[in-house]
Amino acid sequence: GAVVSQHPSWVICKSGTSVKIECRSLDFQATTMFWYRQFPKQSLMLMATSNEGSKATYEQGVEKDKFLINHASLTLSTLTVTSAHPEDSSFYICSARDRTYLQETQYFGPGTRLLVL
Amino acid sequence: GEDVEQSLFLSVREGDSSVINCTYTDSSSTYLYWYKQEPGAGLQLLTYIFSNMDMKQDQRLTVLLNKKDKHLSLRIADTQTGDSAIYFCAERGRYGQNFVFGPGTRLSVLP
Repeated sequence: GAVVSQHPSWVICKSGTSVKIECRSLDFQATTMFWYRQFPKQSLMLMATSNEGSKATYEQGVEKDKFLINHASLTLSTLTVTSAHPEDSSFYICSARDRTYLQETQYFGPGTRLLVL
Repeated sequence: GEDVEQSLFLSVREGDSSVINCTYTDSSSTYLYWYKQEPGAGLQLLTYIFSNMDMKQDQRLTVLLNKKDKHLSLRIADTQTGDSAIYFCAERGRYGQNFVFGPGTRLSVLP
């Protein structure tokens, strides 16, 4: 099946710093990628939809100036957590939409665990 | 708005069948999905079903869809300890881009 990678898989940073997370679709082109956040023992919460070549669409309650999304190419989307604080510590998961004329699905990356000290 | 519900926990004995249930509210759902998440990992697509189907079988996995009742189930035959994980049901509506996920069912397989 299709593969989506994320980098880094783990990051620990000091409060106030910015962290960039990359999401890549490795064997297909993804015009649309999604960024989710997952707190321990909870389901995934959609943060934003990233569209190649245009601005991301953010879900209600997600600060677009804090979570910067750039979808620079058909295989890469980045999420930058600016001025990170301990409450931003979470598991961030991206997914990429693979659409053919037969079916459509989302493939998920392995996730990035962020710990802000 | 759209909503997806699942029971949160399920325990079965190794070798038995597991049935994980899911209900959804969006009648325009076109695709319904089952994902598996192992501890500390991302989501792995297990299987999906198109809304005009009522059953799909893939090796040990059987998906049943009752569109009238908006009920989806995942049956895992001959459940193994390696099947222990959280299973998420997700639906995608006809007009939406994103998926709506259920809360996840934590499957524990007892020896």
